[in-house]
Amino acid sequence: DIQMTQSPSSLSASVGDRVTITCRASQSISTYLHWYQQKPGKAPKLLIYAASSLQSGVPSRFSGSGSGTDFTLTISSLQPEDFATYYCQQSYTTPFTFGPGTEVDIK
Amino acid sequence: QVQLQESGPGLVKPSETLSLTCTVSGGSISSYYWSWIRQPPGKGLEWIAYIYYSGSSSSNPSLRSRVTISVDTSENQVSLNLTSVTAADTAVYYCARPRRDGYTHDAFDIWGQGTMVTVSS
Repeated sequence: DIQMTQSPSSLSASVGDRVTITCRASQSISTYLHWYQQKPGKAPKLLIYAASSLQSGVPSRFSGSGSGTDFTLTISSLQPEDFATYYCQQSYTTPFTFGPGTEVDIK
Repeated sequence: QVQLQESGPGLVKPSETLSLTCTVSGGSISSYYWSWIRQPPGKGLEWIAYIYYSGSSSSNPSLRSRVTISVDTSENQVSLNLTSVTAADTAVYYCARPRRDGYTHDAFDIWGQGTMVTVSS
């Protein structure tokens, strides 16, 4: 299985801050990497697919980059509705695997 | 737009079989791969299996011996059976659809709301 790791596991930030979350795969996954946002009691919501493509309807303050084994999700200016947990996921090969998540909370 | 709704018993006894159904509305089940994904309370996400509308499927090796996934195109439903459950199978179970039809290795852009299943006697 491809192992996904994320750092940090949690972070505290203020509205307006620039936030960067890192995801690393245990082997190269090209750009088969996707980012999700999950709020308590809700299903995950797709933000970024194929490492850097913005899902329709997602604000442009979200961006993704990377290829191979190292990826980043950036929120350029954190908004109140962005406080949530963020997961990366690889679809390069089955079993599809997710990172352990990064919880973003209010400083 | 396409919506997914999971259904099934919220409580299952240890050693019994967990059975869930995902009903697809607002669109056809055809041409897509449909996945089940679960999330234990307070923990991360685990992909369980997918099935194509034609019936071809793949499952997570960690669960393969206990998982059966099936599709009913006439009812627009995908079903999951998980046998010999234990407390470790307690989780919210989601069904999800990838962005593009005919693609397995794609992001999941449509999710059901999830259904909580507790394994307890």
